[in-house]
Amino acid sequence: KAGVTQTPRYLIKTRGQQVTLSCSPISGHRSVSWYQQTPGQGLQFLFEYFSETQRNKGNFPGRFSGRQFSNSRSEMNVSTLELGDSALYLCASSLDLGYGYTFGSGTRLTVV
Amino acid sequence: TQLLEQSPQFLSIQEGENLTVYCNSSSVFSSLQWYRQEPGEGPVLLVTVVTGGEVKKLKRLTFQFGDARKDSSLHITAAQPGDTGLYLCAGVKGTYKYIFGTGTRLKVLA
Repeated sequence: KAGVTQTPRYLIKTRGQQVTLSCSPISGHRSVSWYQQTPGQGLQFLFEYFSETQRNKGNFPGRFSGRQFSNSRSEMNVSTLELGDSALYLCASSLDLGYGYTFGSGTRLTVV
Repeated sequence: TQLLEQSPQFLSIQEGENLTVYCNSSSVFSSLQWYRQEPGEGPVLLVTVVTGGEVKKLKRLTFQFGDARKDSSLHITAAQPGDTGLYLCAGVKGTYKYIFGTGTRLKVLA
């Protein structure tokens, strides 16, 4: 079966711009989570959606937002980009939390 | 912020050697998972352990969950270059909260 698909794979944006990242989960998976990965901070949890509802949220500023559509596809948006937002953004899907994640390959965001 | 501390942070060994990676916390977890991440890819789930004291084997990899469900270890026997990667533990609290460890970067030299 198809894995978790994240688009785009690479993105370069200028400080102050906004960006939208997309994630298509494995068919049948209703839980989609987003993580930010940096060398210094490791994997940091952004938020988790289940059946279009945000069920859990990490400690990120309001510039980071997300949503989930009825087909379980998810998007995350970062507004007013800062240099420190440069990171690998990972999407992970699951039947439900506790079953383990299937991660996508990530979107590498560089803010210049 | 709750943390899962992994040790060692970095490990470089020769092919054929054995190694153990540790994942420690002061928190109790309902389950714990181990992932391996290769460069340019997302982490891949290796195993989930649920019961305190549980031991699971996956070929040359042995995973153990501590009796108190606060810590875990990953032992690799006769490491191979294909084992190279970033190993991450993730503790699950309740139903919805995952806490990822700080990671152990392993390099196995041929």
